[in-house]
Amino acid sequence: AQSVAQPEDQVNVAEGNPLTVKCTYSVSGNPYLFWYVQYPNRGLQFLLKYITGDNLVKGSYGFEAEFNKSQTSFHLKKPSALVSDSALYFCAVRPHNTDKLIFGTGTRLQVFP
Amino acid sequence: GAGVSQTPSNKVTEKGKYVELRCDPISGHTALYWYRQSLGQGPEFLIYFQGTGAADDSGLPNDRFFAVRPEGSVSTLKIQRTERGDSAVYLCASSFTGGTDRSNYGYTFGSGTRLTVV
Repeated sequence: AQSVAQPEDQVNVAEGNPLTVKCTYSVSGNPYLFWYVQYPNRGLQFLLKYITGDNLVKGSYGFEAEFNKSQTSFHLKKPSALVSDSALYFCAVRPHNTDKLIFGTGTRLQVFP
Repeated sequence: GAGVSQTPSNKVTEKGKYVELRCDPISGHTALYWYRQSLGQGPEFLIYFQGTGAADDSGLPNDRFFAVRPEGSVSTLKIQRTERGDSAVYLCASSFTGGTDRSNYGYTFGSGTRLTVV
């Protein structure tokens, strides 16, 4: 079965420190990979995507993610966290043969001042 | 419009009632998607439209759920005989797909409709 795993329900980090939110996937073939962020009472906002090419993808608000095919991972990273980054983050995968996204269960990022 | 608009933002209904949820996609976006997000979960795919037709409705949980997009723009998700388990946030997304042009993989999501069945 195709799936996305976000092993951490919550990640806590101090402001100014680097952050990592983990994501692994299980799909056949080469998928398209996405990260979305969700603020309270707001819709999902697109952060970045991996389609093909360079394994390191840079996105909005200073976030980046690295596609690792051998580990089937697409971890989200930011060199220096901000309090305003506190939100719910979702990893999603779109298999090549479909137009629907498969989401992970989400990771709540809490950045402390 | 500037973004994907979903109405109402909140809906409380009694068990057994019929509800309709509306989605106004970004103008010109040919693809429209419905997802359901239960508390503490990631969004789950329900149905996807390409133009007026449902290209994939494999995520609809049962025949109480139905969606239409008669003119290829606005879509309505319809739920009959609502149950308490239907309570969730229903998200709509749209994207532009130009036939065989698969260079744009962005999806824009609306803020969702929070459905509560009491």
